[in-house]
Amino acid sequence: GQQVMQIPQYQHVQEGEDFTTYCNSSTTLSNIQWYKQRPGGHPVFLIQLVKSGEVKKQKRLTFQFGEAKKNSSLHITATQTTDVGTYFCAGKDNQGGKLIFGQGTELSVKP
Amino acid sequence: NAGVTQTPKFQVLKTGQSMTLQCAQDMNHEYMSWYRQDPGMGLRLIHYSVGAGITDQGEVPNGYNVSRSTTEDFPLRLLSAAPSQTSVYFCASGSRRNSPLHFGNGTRLTVT
Repeated sequence: GQQVMQIPQYQHVQEGEDFTTYCNSSTTLSNIQWYKQRPGGHPVFLIQLVKSGEVKKQKRLTFQFGEAKKNSSLHITATQTTDVGTYFCAGKDNQGGKLIFGQGTELSVKP
Repeated sequence: NAGVTQTPKFQVLKTGQSMTLQCAQDMNHEYMSWYRQDPGMGLRLIHYSVGAGITDQGEVPNGYNVSRSTTEDFPLRLLSAAPSQTSVYFCASGSRRNSPLHFGNGTRLTVT
């Protein structure tokens, strides 16, 4: 079945450093979504990418969708302590209605 | 709007007991789903529904039942609780099949 792998599992950075998490799917995706979960909270939607090669930016966050629509990345420039949390990618394949999540990348930021 | 409401927030069960986790949304969303979250495993899809009267299995459906008799409600039933079902459960809804999900605050379940 469809699998979505996300790396790394953990990332510890100094405030001001950059951060990237990568997402790879075993199947071609119709779209990919990114979520952020603060410690003790619930996942909150960040963005959705639909088109092959799409790049979207939200302030210091840059999201990319691969040309083959099987991988994606989230890059944070100059991390801040408010960026702390777990970032999840989630993908839907072309066949079904299942939104499958990656394992998440837990980001900690040292001030 | 309350969004997605889950009850209870916390629950402790003994092995073999059954219970229902409640989920309600007031956004008239067609799509609803249940995930469980375990350390290092991310969010795993248990069951989902694309509309009232329609349900389907996710990645880890065994031991769980769902029903969708109304658009608003999507309860998750544990038939005979097992320690392996100790987890945090999230209900999520979306306006359509490919829409972003709105998550509830979660139910933390412990099975002893």
